[in-house]
Amino acid sequence: DARVTQTPRHKVTEMGQEVTMRCQPILGHNTVFWYRQTMMQGLELLAYFRNRAPLDDSGMPKDRFSAEMPDATLATLKIQPSEPRDSAVYFCASGSRQGGTGELFFGEGSRLTVL
Amino acid sequence: DQQVKQNSPSLSVQEGRISILNCDYTNSMFDYFLWYKKYPAEGPTFLISISSIKDKNEDGRFTVFLNKSAKHLSLHIVPSQPGDSAVYFCAASEEGTYKYIFGTGTRLKVLA
Repeated sequence: DARVTQTPRHKVTEMGQEVTMRCQPILGHNTVFWYRQTMMQGLELLAYFRNRAPLDDSGMPKDRFSAEMPDATLATLKIQPSEPRDSAVYFCASGSRQGGTGELFFGEGSRLTVL
Repeated sequence: DQQVKQNSPSLSVQEGRISILNCDYTNSMFDYFLWYKKYPAEGPTFLISISSIKDKNEDGRFTVFLNKSAKHLSLHIVPSQPGDSAVYFCAASEEGTYKYIFGTGTRLKVLA
């Protein structure tokens, strides 16, 4: 059963610490997304990649956030330094527009709490 | 600037009745739309999609309607069941981009 895998599921850290979230997309999907769920913004797009190349990261605060795909099986989202306002649930999703409904498949999320 | 808006944060419906969830968008270049359901502590799961070349798509109890001139889409759930209680998100992408912008979500509660 193919699924998007995210780690860690939960992370509590102190302000100023570095946080790295990881995502393993579904094999064969060529597009990977990072979203952040907040009460006010809903699911906010932070960045997305196609064939490992970043296409748009305009949703990310550039001074502290970075997103990369070191290889086709791993996407990372890093926050350095973290701040309390970064507390949210971060979702990774993957998909492929070729064929099918073009839907995105989401992981279960990484819940980040910055104290 | 919220390009995809779900103006009703919450909705309560009696079991067996119709649930109608609404979504408005501002970008006329959006050509593909998705609806997702999200339970607490889980990732969103896909429900149904619609392309801008259609005005209606059905899948079982779920029907999505698209009104391009009004830049409005709606999700109808008939009949509503208690298990449908969740947060529903609509999403839109611009032609050729596969970049999905999501709305803020509507929390649906189906009362038994």
